[in-house]
Amino acid sequence: DAGITQSPRHKVTETGTPVTLRCHQTENHRYMYWYRQDPGHGLRLIHYSYGVKDTDKGEVSDGYSVSRSKTEDFLLTLESATSSQTSVYFCAISESKGSGNQPQHFGDGTRLSIL
Amino acid sequence: SQKIEQNSEALNIQEGKTATLTCNYTNYSPAYLQWYRQDPGRGPVFLLLIRENEKEKRKERLKVTFDTTLKQSLFHITASQPADSATYLCVGSDGGGGNKLTFGTGTQLKVEL
Repeated sequence: DAGITQSPRHKVTETGTPVTLRCHQTENHRYMYWYRQDPGHGLRLIHYSYGVKDTDKGEVSDGYSVSRSKTEDFLLTLESATSSQTSVYFCAISESKGSGNQPQHFGDGTRLSIL
Repeated sequence: SQKIEQNSEALNIQEGKTATLTCNYTNYSPAYLQWYRQDPGRGPVFLLLIRENEKEKRKERLKVTFDTTLKQSLFHITASQPADSATYLCVGSDGGGGNKLTFGTGTQLKVEL
C-alpha cells in the first residue's frame, strides 16, 4: 500500500470553528489531492498541489484552503466550518508526471461531522 | 457538465459467475478510464487503466473495455468470489495536466455463496 496517512480519522466539531485535516505521504510523489465524498456524488476535487507551495482549486473549493510547505504534507483547512461540509475527506497522491495515465493512491479518509 | 454515470443499484451475483459493471460518460471525451475498488471505511484502490485507443485490457480475473462509439466502459470480474464484494468506481481523465479525475458514484457488487 502507498504510504499515505490521514489525520484525524474522525472528527466532530461545531459550526463556525476552524478545522485542519492533515495528509502525510512517504512516497515523495509530486501531486497531492483533497477530495470529498458524499452520498449520491462521486468523489469531488477540492484542491490539489503540484509541488511545494504550488496549489490550485478544484471543483468544490469554496470554504476550503490548503497549504503545502513540505513535499510530504498537504493540509486542508476549513476556516469556519459549516454543516454542509460534513463529509468524508480523502487525500490522494500521484507520481510526478501528473497526466491522466497515472493512477491515484488514496488514504483511508477522515470522517468529519459538523454539528 | 461532464459526467461519469454508473448504475446506482447494487449488483448481486452468485459466486463463480461473471460480474459485469457498466460505466457511461456524457458531455466528455476521456482520454483514459480508470477503475477503482472501494471497501467500506477505506479509500479507493486502483485496479486498471485503459486508454481511449485500447479496446480491452486484462489483469488476472479483471477485464475492462472502452467503446468510444457507445461512450461506455464495461468492467468484468470472472469467476467472482465473495471477497470481490465492494463498490467499484469508474473514473475518467482527459489527460490534461494535474491528473484531474472525474469520478462516477460507483456500483456496489455483492457476490453471494
